[in-house]
Amino acid sequence: AQTVTQSQPEMSVQEAETVTLSCTYDTSESDYYLFWYKQPPSRQMILVIRQEAYKQQNATENRFSVNFQKAAKSFSLKISDSQLGDAAMYFCAYRRLMYSGGGADGLTFGKGTHLIIQP
Amino acid sequence: ETGVTQTPRHLVMGMTNKKSLKCEQHLGHNAMYWYKQSAKKPLELMFVYSLEERVENNSVPSRFSPECPNSSHLFLHLHTLQPEDSALYLCASSSRLGGFGTQYFGPGTRLLVL
Repeated sequence: AQTVTQSQPEMSVQEAETVTLSCTYDTSESDYYLFWYKQPPSRQMILVIRQEAYKQQNATENRFSVNFQKAAKSFSLKISDSQLGDAAMYFCAYRRLMYSGGGADGLTFGKGTHLIIQP
Repeated sequence: ETGVTQTPRHLVMGMTNKKSLKCEQHLGHNAMYWYKQSAKKPLELMFVYSLEERVENNSVPSRFSPECPNSSHLFLHLHTLQPEDSALYLCASSSRLGGFGTQYFGPGTRLLVL
C-alpha cells in the first residue's frame, strides 16, 4: 500500500518570505501522480499544483513550485513571496497512474502541514 | 467555487437516526468519491464510483451506504452511526479518462453524532 508522510505538523513564515513544505511517499509503482492541496479555514480543498512522476521537470504554478526527487521519493512544495492568503493546511497526495480510458482511483493523503503566515 | 456542491453543510444526528448526505458535481465528470476527514488523521478514502458503478469500498462499515444514481449525483446514507463517526465528509469528482484525473472537492459536510 502507498503511504504519504508529511513530517512538519506546523510551519511559520514571514509574509513575503519563502517557505518549503516537505513530503515523502512510499510506493512500488513506477508511474504515478503527486498533488499538493490547500485547505483554508473554510475547509474547501483546493488544488495547488500537480506533478507526473514520469516527468523530470518540476511543476510550477506562479509562486508555487515543487522539488520532485523520484529516487528519494520526495515531493516538496516551495511557496515564494508568501501572502496572508496562503495560510492554510497543506496536504500532499498520491495517486497511481490511470491508463487511458481506465477507471477511477482515490487519493492517498498525508496528515497535512499547518502553514502560518506572520504579517 | 460551485463546481462540486454538498448538502447539508452541517448535520447533527443521534445514533438511532437515519440521514443522507448529498453531493452534486457540475463539471461533467464521471467519477465521484467520498472521503472522511477526522481530527488529526489523514483524509481517508471511503468509496469510489466510476460511471455510476462502485469500484472501491475501502473497508467502510455497513452503517455507511453510498448511492450514485447518475454521474452528477452521489449520496451517502447514514444509519445507526457512532460518535466516532463525527467528522468532515468530503465529496470529490474527476474525469475517469487517462491523465491526471485531478479530483475537485466540495466544501464538505460537518457531521456530529451525539
